[in-house]
Amino acid sequence: KAGVTQTPRYLIKTRGQQVTLSCSPISGHRSVSWYQQTPGQGLQFLFEYFSETQRNKGNFPGRFSGRQFSNSRSEMNVSTLELGDSALYLCASSRAGSYGANVLTFGAGSRLTVL
Amino acid sequence: TQLLEQSPQFLSIQEGENLTVYCNSSSVFSSLQWYRQEPGEGPVLLVTVVTGGEVKKLKRLTFQFGDARKDSSLHITAAQPGDTGLYLCAGGRDTGKLIFGQGTTLQVKP
Repeated sequence: KAGVTQTPRYLIKTRGQQVTLSCSPISGHRSVSWYQQTPGQGLQFLFEYFSETQRNKGNFPGRFSGRQFSNSRSEMNVSTLELGDSALYLCASSRAGSYGANVLTFGAGSRLTVL
Repeated sequence: TQLLEQSPQFLSIQEGENLTVYCNSSSVFSSLQWYRQEPGEGPVLLVTVVTGGEVKKLKRLTFQFGDARKDSSLHITAAQPGDTGLYLCAGGRDTGKLIFGQGTTLQVKP
């Protein structure tokens, strides 16, 4: 079956612009999580959506937002881009299984470069 | 504050050597997962451990969850060049939210 699909894979933006990243989860997976990966900070949790509702949120400024559609596809948006937003943005889907043992399947990521 | 400390951060060894990667925390996790990530790809789940003291083996990889569920280790026996990659531990608490360690970059030279 198809894995988690993220688009675009690569993009370059300039400071002050905004960006929208898309994630299509595995069929049947209702939970979508977003992570930011940078060399200095590693993987950091952004937010998680389940049934179109944000269920968990990490410690990122309000410039970072997301949403989930009725078909479980998700988008995240970053407004007023800063140089420090350059990162690999990873989306992961899961069935939202039992507490504490959630199994995530990651996409290949969207690499954002802010100039 | 890094809740999960992974060590070492970098490891370069020869093919056939053994190695251990550690993942430590002062916090208790309900589960501990290990992922491997290759360049240009997302992390791929290797194993999930949920019981304190649990040991799981995956071919040449052995994973252990500490008795207090605060730490974990990954041991690779007779490493091969194909084991090269970034190894990440992740602690689970809330559904859908994992806390990741900084990762261990492993290079296995032929």
